[in-house]
This record gives sequence, structure tokens and C-alpha cells, in this order.
Amino acid sequence: DQQVKQNSPSLSVQEGRISILNCDYTNSMFDYFLWYKKYPAEGPTFLISISSIKDKNEDGRFTVFLNKSAKHLSLHIVPSQPGDSAVYFCAGYDDMRFGAGTRLTVKP
Amino acid sequence: DGGITQSPKYLFRKEGQNVTLSCEQNLNHDAMYWYRQDPGQGLRLIYYSQIVNDFQKGDIAEGYSVSREKKESFPLTVTSAQKNPTAFYLCASGNRGSNEKLFFGSGTQLSVL
Repeated sequence: DQQVKQNSPSLSVQEGRISILNCDYTNSMFDYFLWYKKYPAEGPTFLISISSIKDKNEDGRFTVFLNKSAKHLSLHIVPSQPGDSAVYFCAGYDDMRFGAGTRLTVKP
Repeated sequence: DGGITQSPKYLFRKEGQNVTLSCEQNLNHDAMYWYRQDPGQGLRLIYYSQIVNDFQKGDIAEGYSVSREKKESFPLTVTSAQKNPTAFYLCASGNRGSNEKLFFGSGTQLSVL
């Protein structure tokens, strides 16, 4: 049973526009949610997190929103840059389950 | 330099052979994890360990084994029982507690000859 789901395998946006990556979860016990960024043949790197007691966390161009009633979180990147092109994974912190990832392509 | 190191970068396995992937961290992290990534897919949890001499199965533990004799080390053995071992393997470490992110190694690509 997949506890964390990313239903969009890919997303393409124009440079300077907003990127919105979505994530749904089923495990209500997750204390934190985290977003990771991954380039090919490398390990993921931490991007941003949000506590389950908050509904928003912002760090520069990256903002994560959490809707607990809908069991949904989203990552907003504004403005998007070509260097943001990567695979983004969301994870629920309770033994760290990851979603399948969304490949973001930012076109110049 | 503090970090998490996986070796080798590339590994080849013959039919019926067991192979062991190394993962070492000097971040003083209590928890360590092994994930598998298949092309175009996400990270699936194989095994994890929250403390020395203890580990738990993840979602796809069949055909794999681990040990955690030292805090710094969490080797993964891919046994002959794992019929489809070709994948990119990632090791991670972190500290249990609030808001603890994982640090990942650079991965090992395992292929079957």
C-alpha cells in the first residue's frame, strides 16, 4: 500500500512561471513532510519540509502547503528556473516513505 | 568532511551470486535506510535501522538482507533470491526526532551479467 502518492509523473513549465507539484498521502501519523530534489545518478537532496501542525512553510522561491483535511501537500516554485529541472519526491516522516516522484522540466 | 558514502559506484552480479553494497556515514546519525530506484520510478524502502543491532523490513525486503553492527555502517546484501536486482540503490541516514531530514549517498548502480 503506497502511503505517499505523486500522481503526476511529469510537469513542464516556462522559465519565470510558477511550478506546482502535488502529493497525496494516506498515513495520518506522519509528523513531517519533506520534499527532495534528485538529479540522475545522484542521491536526492533535501529541499524543504513542513510540520504536520502547520499549513505553510516558505524558503526563498520554494513554498510548501499542507492541507491535512484533504491529506494533500503541494510544492510551489516561484519563479521557476531552468536549474530547477529535476525529479522531485515528497516523503512522509514516519519511517520515510517516498512518493514516485514528479519530473519537472523548466524551459528557457 | 561529514557525509554518507556508498561503494562501489557500479556493481555487477552474476546469476546465483550474493553481492554486498557498502554504506558508511560519519554524521553520527542513529537511523539508516536503504532504498531502491528503478528507471522512471520512485524510491522504495528496502530496510531501515533506527539503532545499532536492530533493523526492520521496508516495503520490498524480500531477497535482501542487512546488518547494523556499528552505528556508522549499514551494508545491504542482495541475495540470489532477489530475481530482479538491477536497479539504483540509495542509502540514507538521519536522526529520529523532529523535522529530521535524510542525507543520501550518491548511490550504487547494480546490474546483472
